Amino acid sequence: EVQLVESGGGFVQPGGSLRLSCAGSGFIFDNYWMVWVRQAPGKGLVWVARINMNGKITQYADSVKGRFTISRDNAKNTLYLQMNTLRAEDTAVYFCATEYVQGVDHWGQGSLVTVSS
Amino acid sequence: NFMLTQPHSVSGSPGKTVTISCTRSSGRIASNYVQWYQQRPGSSPTTIIFNDGQRPSGVPDRFSGSVDSSSNSASLTISGLETEDEADYYCQSSDIDNPMVFGGGTKLTVL
Repeated sequence: EVQLVESGGGFVQPGGSLRLSCAGSGFIFDNYWMVWVRQAPGKGLVWVARINMNGKITQYADSVKGRFTISRDNAKNTLYLQMNTLRAEDTAVYFCATEYVQGVDHWGQGSLVTVSS
Repeated sequence: NFMLTQPHSVSGSPGKTVTISCTRSSGRIASNYVQWYQQRPGSSPTTIIFNDGQRPSGVPDRFSGSVDSSSNSASLTISGLETEDEADYYCQSSDIDNPMVFGGGTKLTVL
């Protein structure tokens, strides 16, 4: 059974940093592109970033470019999202997911990030 | 950037059929696959349709997806509505510059 377990969310002040982790199991981790998708409270899904199988190709939504960094450690079957210079509008549940063809295959349970003073 | 427009809400009675539309604002709907995701209250999304009309294993055949080039839209049809189908539904597609674009979501109420 595929499992994706996010961790690292929490409360942070504007301008602060946070790193999310996503541990994958039940599948061959380095066979998949991986993505982060977020959902602000009461709002819809928004793609944040993606990374290819070996970690050498990354893409970001314009809203996070230059502030967020996606990375992976295939030896640990773990995906990361380093979030710097956080803003109130970054408040959301962050889901990690496996990418399949042009969409999402499996989703994690999500990790809540709250940015507030 | 293109957008995917969905109705804000739809409703139906148990046993009936509902269809949720997803209209692409620019670029051809048939140029990139469309996916559909179900998100029940308080839960993470799950994939119910991929590659326009394929169902992952375990998804009932009451769920079907299609694409209509004439209206540049995709549709999710749920037949034999059950109370457990009450959820938010999101369509998603892509293009060369936008790896994943989601629709705004449709709230399905089973009356």
